[in-house]
This record gives sequence, C-alpha cells and structure tokens, in this order.
Amino acid sequence: DAKTTQPPSMDCAEGRAANLPCNHSTISGNEYVYWYRQIHSQGPQYIIHGLKNNETNEMASLIITEDRKSSTLILPHATLRDTAVYYCIVRVATGGFKTIFGAGTRLFVKA
Amino acid sequence: DTAVSQTPKYLVTQMGNDKSIKCEQNLGHDTMYWYKQDSKKFLKIMFSYNNKELIINETVPNRFSPKSPDKAHLNLHINSLELGDSAVYFCASSPRRLAGANEQYFGPGTRLTVT
Repeated sequence: DAKTTQPPSMDCAEGRAANLPCNHSTISGNEYVYWYRQIHSQGPQYIIHGLKNNETNEMASLIITEDRKSSTLILPHATLRDTAVYYCIVRVATGGFKTIFGAGTRLFVKA
Repeated sequence: DTAVSQTPKYLVTQMGNDKSIKCEQNLGHDTMYWYKQDSKKFLKIMFSYNNKELIINETVPNRFSPKSPDKAHLNLHINSLELGDSAVYFCASSPRRLAGANEQYFGPGTRLTVT
C-alpha cells in the first residue's frame, strides 16, 4: 500500500468547511483513497473513498487531483463533534486489510 | 445495539501476566480482525479470521494467540505480557474476507497498560 502524508493538525471554526489535505504521490493505478476518522477513545470510523472521480456522501466530499497524487477531504459544515484524528490511506479495494494507518491529521473544531 | 463490542475497555496488569480480551460482533459478518494502535497512533493489523479460520497473521509474537470459538467471536489471549504490549487493541469485522476497507466496522478498543 502506498504511503500518505498529512499535516499533523488543523483548526477549523464551527460551521465552516474543513479541508483536510493528503499527499499520496506513489499511488498506483488500482489503489483507492480511503478516509477514516477516530474520535477520542473510539474505534476508527469509515468516512468515504474514491478512485479518481470526486465523491460525496452524507458525511463528506472527496476531491482527488487529476494526477491522483493528492486529495482533499471536505467536511462542508464542521461541528464540534467532528473533532477527531483523520486518516488518509491508499490501498487496493479488496484482498484483505493490511494497511497501516499513519499519524493522521488532528482536526480541532472550535466554537 | 452495539455492532462490535470488546471487553474489557481498560486493562491494567503487570509484566509476566497472561490476559485475554474478548470481542463479539452481532452483524452476521464472516471475517473478524485484531488491530494494535501504539502510542504514536499507528494502527496495524495483527490477525484476521474468516469463518473461524486464520487468514492473516502479521508477524505477531507467538505470545499472542487469537481464538475464534464461532464466527461472531474473536478473542485475543496474550501470554507473558511485556511493557511493549501496552497499546490500544481494536477488534473489527467485515462481511467477507475480501471486503473493502469501507466495509470494516471497528469496536471501541481495549486500552492495555502493562506495568
């Protein structure tokens, strides 16, 4: 699985959009970009994933650059409950889940 | 209803002891996993079972022995605990062995502290 690079922490005002970047310059053609988050003292929670097209679900949007070397997770209207560590991982869609989650980005949503 | 549950939530024990962590899922999934999250927050897979059969063993010391009495349960037994075993251990499940990462459901974690 390709390696990812994320900023260690970010702040966001409540109600504003939170844009979390991720670099994955060594991503291969069959690898997807997945985002998870981990709220303090809880297990990881799946957010969204994509291959090359932008994706949107009820939680977030995922914007993947045309060369697929980076992506941005967007939480359109951040709330205090979105304060968590956000992990970007790249991996093939199936075949077992061996990926190591890295350090992630700690997002602080402030009132 | 809790989808993936783990007991205990916290476990404090001394070096050399043997302890077990239990995991149960009520999702009807075929595959279960154990992950370890260290102090640097890196989350790494340890084991995976599919229908009670071991399918992933990621070079974990043999002091760690997973046991799956049925496909809804995957327990983790640790012998001769060491300081380096201190971590948060997460159980997870997925519908099938080749499930995508979006189909994994994690438990709340067990924080193990070895003194």
